[in-house]
Amino acid sequence: GQQVMQIPQYQHVQEGEDFTTYCNSSTTLSNIQWYKQRPGGHPVFLIQLVKSGEVKKQKRLTFQFGEAKKNSSLHITATQTTDVGTYFCAGDNYGQNFVFGPGTRLSVLP
Amino acid sequence: GAGVSQSPSNKVTEKGKDVELRCDPISGHTALYWYRQSLGQGLEFLIYFQGNSAPDKSGLPSDRFSAERTGGSVSTLTIQRTQQEDSAVYLCASSPPGGWLVEQFFGPGTRLTVL
Repeated sequence: GQQVMQIPQYQHVQEGEDFTTYCNSSTTLSNIQWYKQRPGGHPVFLIQLVKSGEVKKQKRLTFQFGEAKKNSSLHITATQTTDVGTYFCAGDNYGQNFVFGPGTRLSVLP
Repeated sequence: GAGVSQSPSNKVTEKGKDVELRCDPISGHTALYWYRQSLGQGLEFLIYFQGNSAPDKSGLPSDRFSAERTGGSVSTLTIQRTQQEDSAVYLCASSPPGGWLVEQFFGPGTRLTVL
């Protein structure tokens, strides 16, 4: 079945440093979503990418969808302590199934 | 407006007992999803409802798990003969009309502990 992997599993950065998490699917995806879960909280939707090679920005966050629609990345510029949490990608295999990645846990040291 | 609500927020039960978890989606949302999240882990998809029907039940881990949705609104997830490995946070999410996968709004979850 479809598998979605994320790397790294954990990332510790100093406040102000950049951060990137990568999401890789074993199958081609129709779209990919990114969610953020703060410690003790529930996942909150960040963005959805649909088109091959698509790039979207939200303030300091940049999201990319690969040309082959099998991978994606989330890049945070100049991290802040408010960025702490676990970032999940979730991929849809053209309606056949829907899988969340295991997440990347980000900690930001002040 | 009101978000997705789940009840109870916490449930402690003994091994072998049945439990019922409830999800109230956002009004007007047609799709409803159940996930399970073990401590420090990712989200495990359980089941998806579109209206009252469940086109995808592939994530239910065993026949002890069942879910229903009535009136296109409230959903209940039932776990029969609970086992210790069922201990997790059970998350419900809903999404507005717009196809199979649009933005999902998550509830706060029910933390289930099986002793």
